[in-house]
Amino acid sequence: KNEVEQSPQNLTAQEGEFITINCSYSVGISALHWLQQHPGGGIVSLFMLSSGKKKHGRLIATINIQEKHSSLHITASHPRDSAVYICAVSGSNFGNEKLTFGTGTRLTIIP
Amino acid sequence: DAGVTQSPTHLIKTRGQQVTLRCSPKSGHDTVSWYQQALGQGPQFIFQYYEEEERQRGNFPDRFSGHQFPNYSSELNVNALLLGDSALYLCASSSRWIAGNTQYFGPGTRLTVL
Repeated sequence: KNEVEQSPQNLTAQEGEFITINCSYSVGISALHWLQQHPGGGIVSLFMLSSGKKKHGRLIATINIQEKHSSLHITASHPRDSAVYICAVSGSNFGNEKLTFGTGTRLTIIP
Repeated sequence: DAGVTQSPTHLIKTRGQQVTLRCSPKSGHDTVSWYQQALGQGPQFIFQYYEEEERQRGNFPDRFSGHQFPNYSSELNVNALLLGDSALYLCASSSRWIAGNTQYFGPGTRLTVL
């Protein structure tokens, strides 16, 4: 069993729909990261959170430390949101801590 | 600020050959981490360098080695290439002194081993 599990693996939705991607982890962590990867490979960090909730534009990330679970939500989804969304965990919130990644969720938003 | 840069973008090698990939970190960052991402999988941690030394290592054989230079740039070397080494190799830079500092990723080098 992987230390970081994501669901669903693939998600297709219509433009405007509310999107939820889930991440569960089995190890002790200090921080959880949500990242976005576009075709071609480049990875962009969206959120790093240790507790509670963070919001940036149409993206919202939440974490429940007791349940070892995090969700990434996208409101009013748009075709440009189509990408692979990856959850990763780290043992500290310092920048030199290695990341352990999930396998990603491929999101496709249809116009 | 150019961000994290990697070279080359793509590379094709044959089994048994050796390859060197390069990474320049974001300005102000002193730590470089390397990840291997096989097709359809999440990235896997290879190793991390700061102060010109390997500080952490993932579950990769000794065929994978690296180096960090005084200007914080880094190289990843892979010897005796196997077909299974075909992957996207990602470099990430960060500052080990800043809490809450996220890692910044380069565009990756796509290695194909034939």
